[in-house]
Amino acid sequence: GENVEQHPSTLSVQEGDSAVIKCTYSDSASNYFPWYKQELGKRPQLIIDIRSNVGEKKDQRIAVTLNKTAKHFSLHITETQPEDSAVYFCAASRPHNDYKLSFGAGTTVTVRA
Amino acid sequence: EAGVAQSPRYKIIEKRQSVAFWCNPISGHATLYWYQQILGQGPKLLIQFQNNGVVDDSQLPKDRFSAERLKGVDSTLKIQPAKLEDSAVYLCASSLFSHLAGGTRTYNEQFFGPGTRLTVL
Repeated sequence: GENVEQHPSTLSVQEGDSAVIKCTYSDSASNYFPWYKQELGKRPQLIIDIRSNVGEKKDQRIAVTLNKTAKHFSLHITETQPEDSAVYFCAASRPHNDYKLSFGAGTTVTVRA
Repeated sequence: EAGVAQSPRYKIIEKRQSVAFWCNPISGHATLYWYQQILGQGPKLLIQFQNNGVVDDSQLPKDRFSAERLKGVDSTLKIQPAKLEDSAVYLCASSLFSHLAGGTRTYNEQFFGPGTRLTVL
């Protein structure tokens, strides 16, 4: 099955700096890559996603890049704010198993004021 | 719109006891998922339903875990008997089910419930 690895496991940044989280996947058939944010004690929420037909997608301060050849994708958060502090999960999925999501282990991001 | 509902939010039991969790998906969402999230790890899919049928239960420990979605709406997940390693947050998620022309499936966002935190002593 799909194996998703996520790095780093923890990330501390100064407010206003950028944060980058990287994920690799094993199944070359995967074509959908969402990112979820989970605040302490709360449910995971989708923040951005990318499909394999594009290499980059942006939404305000958040961007995701995808390198299909290398089988890795990254989340970029610019101008970090205290409310960005949370655990971020990457995931990978392919259509012919009904879009079953395989999640990475998560990155705990702490934004220092 | 109302989100995915789960109950109870917290449960503490002793090993070898039984426990059941309930999930009510977003209205109109045909697909329902149960995930297990062990502390410090990402969610792991246990079982996926399409209406009242099972799509994928390959990672469900069937000797002790069971799940049903009899009327294609609410779902229950049961553990009997529980083990210490079952301590985790159990997340329910739901999504729409839709096809594109030609039979291709399109991905629909999974919406998660608040989860049930299970502690097995």
